[in-house]
Order: sequence, then structure tokens, then C-alpha cells
Amino acid sequence: TQLLEQSPQFLSIQEGENLTVYCNSSSVFSSLQWYRQEPGEGPVLLVTVVTGGEVKKLKRLTFQFGDARKDSSLHITAAQPGDTGLYLCAAETSGSRLTFGEGTQLTVNP
Amino acid sequence: DAGVIQSPRHEVTEMGQEVTLRCKPISGHNSLFWYRQTMMRGLELLIYFNNNVPIDDSGMPEDRFSAKMPNASFSTLKIQPSEPRDSAVYFCASSFKASGKRWSDTQYFGPGTRLTVL
Repeated sequence: TQLLEQSPQFLSIQEGENLTVYCNSSSVFSSLQWYRQEPGEGPVLLVTVVTGGEVKKLKRLTFQFGDARKDSSLHITAAQPGDTGLYLCAAETSGSRLTFGEGTQLTVNP
Repeated sequence: DAGVIQSPRHEVTEMGQEVTLRCKPISGHNSLFWYRQTMMRGLELLIYFNNNVPIDDSGMPEDRFSAKMPNASFSTLKIQPSEPRDSAVYFCASSFKASGKRWSDTQYFGPGTRLTVL
């Protein structure tokens, strides 16, 4: 059983559509991070959410941390082909150890 | 500034051979992480160092894997002997761990080494 469950695993949409990706757990975390990974590259940090109920916006991306700090969502408005990539959520489980979800592979078709 | 540097970018070897992956972290960072990424298991932490000292190696699959960090600017991950199931992309990441910080530090990933063991 994965500590962090991401859904959906795969998502293929048309340019201009909206989408939401979910990251769920039964554990409580002090913080949660979202990364994006493009083919042939390492993951790049998008945001860190710390406070329960926190909402952070990064241009067309909106990140929310659940009130109980067990789950998070990533919403993309008017998706563009440049948003294509693997989206990973990650949580610190002990010390500096990060545990990653399995990821959501997003494809935005022009 | 240069990011995390990994070499080689691609490695193809035969089962039983020794493989050494190399990493140069970002200057000034005091934590270094080795990850493995596969389709089946996703991104898994193998080991991490803080101030050149191994802190958590519980993710190292077995004795065939070893990692060293002789100084703040260099780390190696060695597999001996290699097996086909070791085929994966291996990432190195570094971060600056500030004492007393409540949330996770930003980890900066290298481009990865794609390892294929035949």
C-alpha cells in the first residue's frame, strides 16, 4: 500500500480544459510538496504547502492542503501543452526523508 | 549557477559488471539524496547524507548497493555486481537543511543516469 495515493494515474485532455489531480493519505504530514517532472529530467519543485486548509496559486496552478493535512489537490485552469509532464506529490516522513506518490502523467493535446 | 551534475547520463552494462554513478551536488548544500525511479515502483529514496554522513540507508535494496560521500562536493553510488532488475533511472538530489525549519527543504534534482543492465 502506497503511503501517498495519487489519482488519476494518467490524464489526457485537450488544450484549454481544466483538471484536478489528487494526493491522498491516511497519515498526517507537517508539509506536502508538489513536483513536476518532464521527460529526461529530474523532478522540479512547484510548491510546498504547510498549513491545513492552505491554498497557494502559481499562475494557472492552484494547490490546496487539506484541513487535516492528510491530502492535497492540484488544479490547473486552461491547461496548455507546456503543462504536460509527470506530477508528483511528496511528503516528509522522517528527518529529511521524502516519500513520493506514484505520480499523475498529464498529457495536454493541442 | 550549475545545478546538480550527474554522470554518466546513460550507462549500458552486462549483468555481473560493476557500475559507478557519480554526483556533484549544488555548492553550499549540506544534504544529498540518491533516488531510483522505475515504472513499477515510482521514485524511491535509496540513501541520504547530511554533512557527508549517511543518515538513512534503509532504502538501499541489498548489499550489492553502496554509496559514499568523501567530501561535500562529490558522491558515488556503486552497484556490484549489477543485475537486470537494477535497470532504472537513478537521480541524485541536494538541498540545504536549515536547523529548526519546520517543513521540508527544497530538493534540487539532477538530470538522472539511465542505467540498463543486460
